[in-house]
Amino acid sequence: DAKTTQPNSMESNEEEPVHLPCNHSTISGTDYIHWYRQLPSQGPEYVIHGLTSNVNNRMASLAIAEDRKSSTLILHRATLRDAAVYYCILRGLYNQGGKLIFGQGTELSVKP
Amino acid sequence: DVKVTQSSRYLVKRTGEKVFLECVQDMDHENMFWYRQDPGLGLRLIYFSYDVKMKEKGDIPEGYSVSREKKERFSLILESASTNQTSMYLCASSTPHEQYFGPGTRLTVT
Repeated sequence: DAKTTQPNSMESNEEEPVHLPCNHSTISGTDYIHWYRQLPSQGPEYVIHGLTSNVNNRMASLAIAEDRKSSTLILHRATLRDAAVYYCILRGLYNQGGKLIFGQGTELSVKP
Repeated sequence: DVKVTQSSRYLVKRTGEKVFLECVQDMDHENMFWYRQDPGLGLRLIYFSYDVKMKEKGDIPEGYSVSREKKERFSLILESASTNQTSMYLCASSTPHEQYFGPGTRLTVT
């Protein structure tokens, strides 16, 4: 599975949208883009995943660039409970259900 | 809701002790994983299992072993605990697209 690059940290204000970027220039055609987050003192939790098209769920939206070399996780209205480390992870088609390789992630802080 | 539970949130053991960390999932997932998480090093995979009695080494298996006698239970064993195994241990089970993590066990080896 290819590597990803994320900023170490980002800040946001409560109730404003947050755009968390991820670069994955060596992504292959069969790599899925997954996002997880880890709240303080908890295990990571799944947020969203996609392959080519943009995806929405109740937690967030995932915008994938046309060339798939980057993606953005969008939290539409940040709350204090969204303060967490966000991980962008690539997962190969033939690694579905398999291990995840976590990078350092982006630590998001949310100011009231 | 998927539940992954770990036997202890906090554990303190002495150097040389044999330590068992238990993980149970209630969603009939075939795949289960053990990670450890350390500041500055992130999450690293220790062992994983795709089926009962089946195990595969992850990136840092040295000093650890695992056991999977039943589908819902995956145990991590520290044969002889050492201080460098002080860490947060996270268990997970997986569907094809989502991994579900337990709350973690913070192990301190003194």
